Amino acid sequence: DAKTTQPNSMESNEEEPVHLPCNHSTISGTDYIHWYRQLPSQGPEYVIHGLTSNVNNRMASLAIAEDRKSSTLILHRATLRDAAVYYCILRDWRGNEKLTFGTGTRLTIIP
Amino acid sequence: ETGVTQTPRHLVMGMTNKKSLKCEQHLGHNAMYWYKQSAKKPLELMFVYSLEERVENNSVPSRFSPECPNSSHLFLHLHTLQPEDSALYLCASSQDPAANTEAFFGQGTRLTVV
Repeated sequence: DAKTTQPNSMESNEEEPVHLPCNHSTISGTDYIHWYRQLPSQGPEYVIHGLTSNVNNRMASLAIAEDRKSSTLILHRATLRDAAVYYCILRDWRGNEKLTFGTGTRLTIIP
Repeated sequence: ETGVTQTPRHLVMGMTNKKSLKCEQHLGHNAMYWYKQSAKKPLELMFVYSLEERVENNSVPSRFSPECPNSSHLFLHLHTLQPEDSALYLCASSQDPAANTEAFFGQGTRLTVV
């Protein structure tokens, strides 16, 4: 799996948008971009994934750069419940079963 | 509630004990995974099962022995563990191994080896 780079930590104020960046300059054409988050004392939770186009779901939006070498997870209105470690992961669509986690970004929400 | 249930939630065992961790999913998924999460380290993939066949074994010591009797259940048998094996053990499942499907994780078993 290709490597991703994320900031170790970020802070954001409650009820404001949060933009979590991820660099993946060595991404291949067959890699999907996945985001997961892990709340304290829980297992990871799927957030969103995409290939080329921007994606929206009830939890977040995923903005993918045109060259696919970076992406941004957008939480439109952060709540205290969004405090977690956020992981950006690349997965090859060619049947590779691996889901390999890095160190992620620890997001702190300030009330 | 993710649909993936792990038991027990907490386990303390001696180095000479034998114990098993259990994972169960009724989501109709065909792929199941074991991960280890040690303090201040990223999640480490241990084993992957696809359609009840082991397809990945990431150089895990033999004191960890997985078992997948059917597509809904996954076990991790533990014997003669070391204190450094203390960690959060997470189970996950996905519909199939394809990269455009999401994985669902259990809440984990917090294992302490004394």
